[in-house]
Amino acid sequence: GAGVSQTPSNKVTEKGKYVELRCDPISGHTALYWYRQSLGQGPEFLIYFQGTGAADDSGLPNDRFFAVRPEGSVSTLKIQRTERGDSAVYLCASSLGGGLEEQFFGPGTRLTVL
Amino acid sequence: DAKTTQPPSMDCAEGRAANLPCNHSTISGNEYVYWYRQIHSQGPQYIIHGLKNNETNEMASLIITEDRKSSTLILPHATLRDTAVYYCIVRDLTSGTYKYIFGTGTRLKVLA
Repeated sequence: GAGVSQTPSNKVTEKGKYVELRCDPISGHTALYWYRQSLGQGPEFLIYFQGTGAADDSGLPNDRFFAVRPEGSVSTLKIQRTERGDSAVYLCASSLGGGLEEQFFGPGTRLTVL
Repeated sequence: DAKTTQPPSMDCAEGRAANLPCNHSTISGNEYVYWYRQIHSQGPQYIIHGLKNNETNEMASLIITEDRKSSTLILPHATLRDTAVYYCIVRDLTSGTYKYIFGTGTRLKVLA
């Protein structure tokens, strides 16, 4: 079946602009996660949704970052007033529920802030 | 911060077993050990997980020491396609959050 998809695959923007990154999880998966990965580092947790609600947003670095999942499936990560330090690969993952189930990762969106 | 330490890189000859170590000396009784790998330009891929018993699946085997302070991921017959960064993750499933905390992993290079 279809895996996790993320759009766009690449996004180039200018400092100060607003961007939206989209994640389509595997159908039926109630848990959704966002991570970001800088070059040479492991992925860093940002936020976890269970259904429509953010169950853990402790990884969001500041209030410029926001994520929504209004209908419990597709999620959008929103970044306001982008900074060069936001440049990274943003990864989305989903799992059937929480707990032991493995997380299935998408290919990521590479964000470059000029 | 990640609760695991791994060697930054390893080489393995094609067809031989790849043994990837992981140290998690502060692991608690509620925490599982998970392994993921990330092939270049792809998202991480689940390999295996365990609590205290050794585990095996079609991809790999996971050996956890009796004191649970370290583990080894074994790829029994490494192929060139196993070249990737391998992450060992300790995960507490009783905390109410199911996030992974990744370290920097081990970059495994399988040599022809």
